[in-house]
Amino acid sequence: DSGVTQTPKHLITATGQRVTLRCSPRSGDLSVYWYQQSLDQGLQFLIQYYNGEERAKGNILERFSAQQFPDLHSELNLSSLELGDSALYFCASSTGHPSNTEAFFGQGTRLTVV
Amino acid sequence: DQQVKQNSPSLSVQEGRISILNCDYTNSMFDYFLWYKKYPAEGPTFLISISSIKDKNEDGRFTVFLNKSAKHLSLHIVPSQPGDSAVYFCAASAPFQGGSEKLVFGKGTKLTVNP
Repeated sequence: DSGVTQTPKHLITATGQRVTLRCSPRSGDLSVYWYQQSLDQGLQFLIQYYNGEERAKGNILERFSAQQFPDLHSELNLSSLELGDSALYFCASSTGHPSNTEAFFGQGTRLTVV
Repeated sequence: DQQVKQNSPSLSVQEGRISILNCDYTNSMFDYFLWYKKYPAEGPTFLISISSIKDKNEDGRFTVFLNKSAKHLSLHIVPSQPGDSAVYFCAASAPFQGGSEKLVFGKGTKLTVNP
């Protein structure tokens, strides 16, 4: 158990819909990362938050947004969903200290868009 | 733009032999490298890491080698066990680049260890 909790584990929704994925980081971790893993693809970095503020942005579509709340949990919002958005979405957390970038991953949310 | 490349999508070895997984990177700002292992239906699990000031780090059966001049790192597993069968991801970070500590991952290598 990595200590990172993601909900829900599975999500099936229709094209055009909007969903919210939730992540609770490890206790004490200030950094939260979101990654997308599509079929035959590696882990694509989407976005990182540190202590409530956006720290880095990767290949995140404009239809996607995220935020980190004062209690440090994070949500990833995916809207106007397309079939190609079907993927595994992972959340990871780390202390955020520059000398320690080991990130611990949750079990992921499998999103299926039909 | 693939900054971290794992050119072998799969690798098959016999139990007890050495597994060598390779990773190349292009960004010279990367100064911290990690290997993650991933089983199906689970999130990646941190395995071992190495700072750019070192050229080798060992943890039990796992050793990571870093060749900065070649921008290449490798993970050695000795001896390989069937339970090591998983997808292995190489990752790199540049903690001081604009304040971002994001990890950039390769596409992974699927290791199969045959009994």
